[in-house]
Amino acid sequence: NAGVMQNPRHLVRRRGQEARLRCSPMKGHSHVYWYRQLPEEGLKFMVYLQKENIIDESGMPKERFSAEFPKEGPSILRIQQVVRGDSAAYFCASSPTGQNYGYTFGSGTRLTVV
Amino acid sequence: ILNVEQSPQSLHVQEGDSTNFTCSFPSSNFYALHWYRWETAKSPEALFVMTLNGDEKKKGRISATLNTKEGYSYLYIKGSQPEDSATYLCAFLVSGGTSYGKLTFGQGTILTVHP
Repeated sequence: NAGVMQNPRHLVRRRGQEARLRCSPMKGHSHVYWYRQLPEEGLKFMVYLQKENIIDESGMPKERFSAEFPKEGPSILRIQQVVRGDSAAYFCASSPTGQNYGYTFGSGTRLTVV
Repeated sequence: ILNVEQSPQSLHVQEGDSTNFTCSFPSSNFYALHWYRWETAKSPEALFVMTLNGDEKKKGRISATLNTKEGYSYLYIKGSQPEDSATYLCAFLVSGGTSYGKLTFGQGTILTVHP
């Protein structure tokens, strides 16, 4: 059981480019969550998705950020026209149905905007 | 805005010491309280999910208690070992609506166990 797979581990983008971060949840998990850790800060919720549905995107910046979890394939967090302030570690987590389970986290994608 | 506070921010103990730290959270709209261990260069690992007032959970030398009425949880480590060195995070889950998936994390307690 491979756990939650995130790729790439490290991503460098120039200002104005697009960043695509991928997350494959653990087998059998239908809930995916994205969290961001800015430098010197804690984990902050961004978005919660189930297959083909965004359940809660209250933590997503209003512009440039989007997320999807298609019927087939990994969940994608997309950041358009990246700026230096987007540099952070982005973590994906997954859980099975039901709220009494701990989340399984991936190893994160470290995004650096130069 | 939900506020989850952890104390202390960091802790240094000697191998064999027992230690504990605190997580404070809002006492209203409580659904669950999670504890995670986060070792350097790894990903957060779930330790406990606690839902009931008075709950006590144990995993080896680590245990946790929960008081939902006053809004706090304690994590205890008995006989600390160097491999226990990590950041310990608590996270709060509210009840109701679509927010039930949204864990709000504290800043963590950084534990260093010296041999």
